[in-house]
Amino acid sequence: DAGVTQSPTHLIKTRGQQVTLRCSPKSGHDTVSWYQQALGQGPQFIFQYYEEEERQRGNFPDRFSGHQFPNYSSELNVNALLLGDSALYLCASSLGSGGNTGELFFGEGSRLTVL
Amino acid sequence: AQSVAQPEDQVNVAEGNPLTVKCTYSVSGNPYLFWYVQYPNRGLQFLLKYITGDNLVKGSYGFEAEFNKSQTSFHLKKPSALVSDSALYFCAVRDMAKDYKLSFGAGTTVTVRA
Repeated sequence: DAGVTQSPTHLIKTRGQQVTLRCSPKSGHDTVSWYQQALGQGPQFIFQYYEEEERQRGNFPDRFSGHQFPNYSSELNVNALLLGDSALYLCASSLGSGGNTGELFFGEGSRLTVL
Repeated sequence: AQSVAQPEDQVNVAEGNPLTVKCTYSVSGNPYLFWYVQYPNRGLQFLLKYITGDNLVKGSYGFEAEFNKSQTSFHLKKPSALVSDSALYFCAVRDMAKDYKLSFGAGTTVTVRA
């Protein structure tokens, strides 16, 4: 049973560039959430996608956007990168309805470094 | 707004001794509470959750946690710690009536010495 997979695992960008991160949810899951984990901090909620729509959003600027595809996979896009965007980006999957008891299953993350 | 506090940045114990990692939460409605563990440069692994029912919940790797509504706490415990339990532990809360998101604490680094 494949767990949550994320790509790329590491990437380096420069300020002002754009980045796209990808996530495939755990088999059977239909909901994808994205979190940002800065060094030494707990994960911060960016947004959640369910049925190809953004269902809830955290306190992140519009530079952060996402998408969910019909196969439930998801992308996180960040435009106009800032140094402060350097972090581990975590994707988590879950069941969006019926049978949802709340726990998230996380991928290994994508480590973004902005220079 | 929901939030989690983990009052200890670090916990150090000797192998074989009991391990406790503290967590308090704030939520307006009924909480769903979770513990996750993170190893260096890895994602988060689910340990256990409290949804309803028995206040003592048991999870993976011999961990358990006790839900205390009056103290708004959800402390993680293990009767006998192992060196391999050394990792970063996160407590998280979700207000099931209002939110889809999990709100995480800042984390507690556990070091178990041989």
